[in-house]
Amino acid sequence: EAEVAQSPRYKITEKSQAVAFWCDPISGHATLYWYRQILGQGPELLVQFQDESVVDDSQLPKDRFSAERLKGVDSTLKIQPAELGDSAMYLCASSLRAGGSTDTQYFGPGTRLTVL
Amino acid sequence: GENVEQHPSTLSVQEGDSAVIKCTYSDSASNYFPWYKQELGKGPQLIIDIRSNVGEKKDQRIAVTLNKTAKHFSLHITETQPEDSAVYFCAASWGGGADGLTFGKGTHLIIQP
Repeated sequence: EAEVAQSPRYKITEKSQAVAFWCDPISGHATLYWYRQILGQGPELLVQFQDESVVDDSQLPKDRFSAERLKGVDSTLKIQPAELGDSAMYLCASSLRAGGSTDTQYFGPGTRLTVL
Repeated sequence: GENVEQHPSTLSVQEGDSAVIKCTYSDSASNYFPWYKQELGKGPQLIIDIRSNVGEKKDQRIAVTLNKTAKHFSLHITETQPEDSAVYFCAASWGGGADGLTFGKGTHLIIQP
């Protein structure tokens, strides 16, 4: 069964350092999402890509967060500089296409970030 | 924007009994309502979803009901088993599933043996 891949699974960093997370969506999925999940809460959307274009980044803290999906396949989420409040699980999800009436989002295992 | 409220935050049931988790949403334009199960240290896994043109959907022991007038939807799990223990999240979106999901805060379901 095809899955969304993410790496690393765990990351510990000190505040003010830069961190990056990688996501490889299910093959053929045009839409890719990054969510942040704070412990004890539901995931919150950070950014959505359709192919290589950003569709929604309204909740992305752009002063320190950046995301790219250069070739419309895999994606990288970066934080620079990291702050204590960034400690969370970063989840990547993908779906087959945008604008469909029967689309479904599939999630990866996530990257657990701890900022010291 | 959309706001999703989920209750209860913790639910403990005896093995074999039924469990019901309820969610309400605020945006009447929402048309897609998935439920995800998340086990410790793992990503959310879709267990069932429902779209606004359907009132109820069932898959073996799991069912979801939707009341668009009242803007609420519920997850029903019958004949609960130990492996059902996990955190369950409801979500809503207006893009048919293609747009970003707004999640509830989750329900920790505990199945007592």
